Amino acid sequence: EVQVVESGGGLVQPGGSLRLSCAASGFTFSSYAMSWVRQAPGKGLEWVSSISSTGSSTYYADSVEGRFTISRDNSWNTLYLHMDSLRAEDTAVYYCAKLMTKVTPGACDYWGQGTLVTVSS
Amino acid sequence: QSVLTQPPSVSAAPGQKVTISCSGSSSNIGNNYVSWYQQFPGTAPKLLIYENNKRPSGIPDRFSGSKSGTSATLGITGLQTGDEADYYCGTWDSSLSAWVFGGGTKLTVL
Repeated sequence: EVQVVESGGGLVQPGGSLRLSCAASGFTFSSYAMSWVRQAPGKGLEWVSSISSTGSSTYYADSVEGRFTISRDNSWNTLYLHMDSLRAEDTAVYYCAKLMTKVTPGACDYWGQGTLVTVSS
Repeated sequence: QSVLTQPPSVSAAPGQKVTISCSGSSSNIGNNYVSWYQQFPGTAPKLLIYENNKRPSGIPDRFSGSKSGTSATLGITGLQTGDEADYYCGTWDSSLSAWVFGGGTKLTVL
């Protein structure tokens, strides 16, 4: 059974940092691109970042470019999102999602349950 | 303001058919595959349609997708109260080098 499980969310002050993790199982992690998608309270889905299967290509939304870094460890079947200089508008549930392809773009066929990040003083 | 435009809400009676539109441009829908997602409150999105009109295993054929030019449409037939959810379209935007979602459409089954 394919599973992706996020962790690492929590309350952080504006300007702070946080690292999200996504543990993958049930599929060959190194063969698929992965993405982070977020959803602010009461709002729609917003794509954050994607990474190719090998990690050689990364993409970011303008809203997080230069502040967030996506990475992956194919030995540990884990996806990461390192978030710096956090702002109140980064408050959201962050979802980890598996793409159907090795590279972006592609549809996301499996999603985690999400982890809540709250940026507030 | 989303790059892809969806109606905020649609409604129909049980057993009826409903369509949800997703309008974009040549840099996104016009030249890339569209996927559709269903989301119930408090839960993760679920893939309904990929590559414009393909259904993942386990998705009933009541759900269908189509694309024409710079617009895409999700169709749901035989509506059930359990279909009440938010629906999002998504695609790659080649000009932005970014994945984009529509603003979402809330389906009400009256």
